[in-house]
Amino acid sequence: SQQGEEDPQALSIQEGENATMNCSYKTSINNLQWYRQNSGRGLVHLILIRSNEREKHSGRLRVTLDTSKKSSSLLITASRAADTASYFCATIQGGSEKLVFGKGTKLTVNP
Amino acid sequence: DAGVIQSPRHEVTEMGQEVTLRCKPISGHNSLFWYRQTMMRGLELLIYFNNNVPIDDSGMPEDRFSAKMPNASFSTLKIQPSEPRDSAVYFCASSYLAGDPGTDTQYFGPGTRLTVL
Repeated sequence: SQQGEEDPQALSIQEGENATMNCSYKTSINNLQWYRQNSGRGLVHLILIRSNEREKHSGRLRVTLDTSKKSSSLLITASRAADTASYFCATIQGGSEKLVFGKGTKLTVNP
Repeated sequence: DAGVIQSPRHEVTEMGQEVTLRCKPISGHNSLFWYRQTMMRGLELLIYFNNNVPIDDSGMPEDRFSAKMPNASFSTLKIQPSEPRDSAVYFCASSYLAGDPGTDTQYFGPGTRLTVL
């Protein structure tokens, strides 16, 4: 089963707008990661947020984590056409060492 | 660094044939992961190795799948015999795990797109 579930499944916005993607998970976590996948390519790590952090920034990316709601959000500000990709959250599944990925949010940024 | 290298990039084969996918992890990394990605099931972890030792192969779908890591710089994923439902993109990823699981950044290869006719 998928530990992380992203929503929405697909998001289409105009260049310059902000994009927000959400991830919910079921069990307690130590940290949560976000990855990006461009079409036909492998996944690329974006950011890791630990369970004792509430917010983290990296360039135009802002990640929040609410452990009480078992959810995280990824905000991309001032989006660009090059941000068009699928975005995945990933967490360690309870009792395991395996990183489990959600099914992703497909983001399309229209020029 | 060249990153994670996978070969071949594309493979088309007929049902019943043996398929071998290859992966060269990033030098210095101690963990290696094989994933399969399909539209229906998303990204699934098949098996992962730490220091060349298989740690968890519970994601391997059945006995037709096998994986080896004879040394720190090479791994193979073999499907024998292959079936049409094995058609997917197979990714190899590597990381350096120094602390708790899930704290490492995984670096993905470009993937092998497998089509079984």
